[in-house]
Amino acid sequence: GAVVSQHPSRVICKSGTSVKIECRSLDFQATTMFWYRQFPKQSLMLMATSNEGSKATYEQGVEKDKFLINHASLTLSTLTVTSAHPEDSSFYICSARSDRGAYSNQPQHFGDGTRLSIL
Amino acid sequence: AQKITQTQPGMFVQEKEAVTLDCTYDTSDPSYGLFWYKQPSSGEMIFLIYQGSYDQQNATEGRYSLNFQKARKSANLVISASQLGDSAMYFCAMRGGRGGSYIPTFGRGTSLIVHP
Repeated sequence: GAVVSQHPSRVICKSGTSVKIECRSLDFQATTMFWYRQFPKQSLMLMATSNEGSKATYEQGVEKDKFLINHASLTLSTLTVTSAHPEDSSFYICSARSDRGAYSNQPQHFGDGTRLSIL
Repeated sequence: AQKITQTQPGMFVQEKEAVTLDCTYDTSDPSYGLFWYKQPSSGEMIFLIYQGSYDQQNATEGRYSLNFQKARKSANLVISASQLGDSAMYFCAMRGGRGGSYIPTFGRGTSLIVHP
C-alpha cells in the first residue's frame, strides 16, 4: 500500500529554534499534501493544504510566517516551525494524497507523525 | 459545508465481541467519500475502510464493515470479533467529490478500549 514517511518522529529543542519536518510519499506522486496538528485526545486540526506547484493554503488562525510549508516536489513537503516556543509543542502529522484518476475514493495516507517538544 | 459527527467519546467492548462506532455526516455534495481511520497510542493514522456515496453495497475489509445508511446520513463502523490490538482512537472522515471540497473533514474521534 501507499507509504508516507515523516521525519523526524520526535524533536526536543530549545525555545527560539526553528524545526523542519519532512513528509515524503514513497511510492506515489502526492499532488496534495496536508499538515495537521493534534493535541492530546483531540481530533486532527488542519493547518494547511499544499498542492504541487502552488503556495500552501492556510486555515484560518494559522500563522503562515510561523509555519512555513514548502511542497517542493510531488514527493516532498516540509513544515518549518520558525522560532518555536513551548506553546508550539504538539503532535504534527502530514498526509498525502494523489488526486489523479478517481476523485473522492482516494484515501489520505498519513505519516507517522512528529512529536515536537519545545523547552 | 461538510460536517462529521462522532457522538461517542469512548466505547468499551469485551474481547471477541462486535462493536459499532457511530458516525453521522452532513454535506450538500451529491458525490462524496467516507473513510475510517484508526490511531493507536503511537500516533500513526491507519486507513481502515472506504465507502463511496454511490456504492450500492456496504464496504467490508476483513473484520471491518461500514454500515452505510445514505438516507440517514450515517456511516457506522462495525468491528467484529474485537481484539486487544483494536484499542485505539477511531476517526470518521468525509471528502467531497467533484465540485465539492476535496479537503477532508474529520470527526472528533471515538476512543475504543477492548477488555480481555
